[in-house]
Amino acid sequence: GDSVTQMEGPVTLSEEAFLTINCTYTATGYPSLFWYVQYPGEGLQLLLKATKADDKGSNKGFEATYRKETTSFHLEKGSVQVSDSAVYFCALNAADSWGKLQFGSGTQVVVTP
Amino acid sequence: GAVVSQHPSWVICKSGTSVKIECRSLDFQATTMFWYRQFPKQSLMLMATSNEGSKATYEQGVEKDKFLINHASLTLSTLTVTSAHPEDSSFYICSARDPDRVGPDTQYFGPGTRLTVL
Repeated sequence: GDSVTQMEGPVTLSEEAFLTINCTYTATGYPSLFWYVQYPGEGLQLLLKATKADDKGSNKGFEATYRKETTSFHLEKGSVQVSDSAVYFCALNAADSWGKLQFGSGTQVVVTP
Repeated sequence: GAVVSQHPSWVICKSGTSVKIECRSLDFQATTMFWYRQFPKQSLMLMATSNEGSKATYEQGVEKDKFLINHASLTLSTLTVTSAHPEDSSFYICSARDPDRVGPDTQYFGPGTRLTVL
């Protein structure tokens, strides 16, 4: 079945450092891919998305490119801030299950001043 | 963006009792809501899809008699954990789909409910 694998956390880094969170997936067909972020005490929020191969999603300085050849959707940000401290979830929506999301295990990111 | 609330945010109960968790869409009418369960350091696992006015659709392996879902109105879905046991302790998260938006990313998530069964 469909699955999402992302790197374990926590990831601790200093302000202005470069952030990468790896995400790979297994799915049949052409799923849509997402990154969600969960700030402390809040619900998951959509950070960015990509719906087809080679699409690049971007938002708030974060980027991720849908790589079908490597079945990956790695999240990157060039210069993190303390306010980026959160848990990040990679997820997919299979082509034949509109609305149902398959999540990775989440990666906690801690940014220190 | 759209807001989804959950109540309570945390609950502690004794083994054998039932617990009800509410999920509300505050500024849109949600014909479909989803219930997820999350164990520590693990993925969110979809438990069931709740459709307003009809029976919920449960994922494989989820006991429908234990996790009762009711979606009686367009803004409210409830999850009742019946005869709760310590192994039911978990973080329960709901999401609501905004039908006025098109695309696979139209779900809005609640903040979650932490259930601890003693």
